Amino acid sequence: TQLLEQSPQFLSIQEGENLTVYCNSSSVFSSLQWYRQEPGEGPVLLVTVVTGGEVKKLKRLTFQFGDARKDSSLHITAAQPGDTGLYLCAGAYNDMRFGAGTRLTVKP
Amino acid sequence: EAGVAQSPRYKIIEKRQSVAFWCNPISGHATLYWYQQILGQGPKLLIQFQNNGVVDDSQLPKDRFSAERLKGVDSTLKIQPAKLEDSAVYLCASSWDGGTQYFGPGTRLLVL
Repeated sequence: TQLLEQSPQFLSIQEGENLTVYCNSSSVFSSLQWYRQEPGEGPVLLVTVVTGGEVKKLKRLTFQFGDARKDSSLHITAAQPGDTGLYLCAGAYNDMRFGAGTRLTVKP
Repeated sequence: EAGVAQSPRYKIIEKRQSVAFWCNPISGHATLYWYQQILGQGPKLLIQFQNNGVVDDSQLPKDRFSAERLKGVDSTLKIQPAKLEDSAVYLCASSWDGGTQYFGPGTRLLVL
């Protein structure tokens, strides 16, 4: 079983729609990171959250770290085709543990 | 600033053959990581180096996988002999101080 469970596994939406993806665990993390990975490339770091309850915004992306530092969410407003990719969360445990990712497709 | 370089980008081999991957981290980055990403899964850490020393290799299948970073810069990851289940993307990442990791494009391995 994965230490970090991401949902949904797949998401296909139309341009302009809003969406939220989730990253959940029963373990507490000292920090949690979100990455985006495009086909044929390595993951690229989007954000690191450290404090329980923390909210960070990156343009149309809003990241929230749960109060208990066990879960996180990523909300995208007015999705664009350029947002298409695999969104991975990773938690600092003994080492960095990744979830399986949410594969997002935004159709024009 | 140049990113993490990996080669080859693609490799197809038959089971029981050997294969080696090469990684050149970002200049000045002391920490280097090798990850295995199987299709449909997130990256799994295989080994972490700090300069030329191993920090964590607890998830490296040591009966067939080996890695080295002799001069604390470039690194190679070897599989000998390969199995079908080794088909995956092998990602190398580096960080300056164990913080933010920068990933290379990966080597896509197919074992037939």
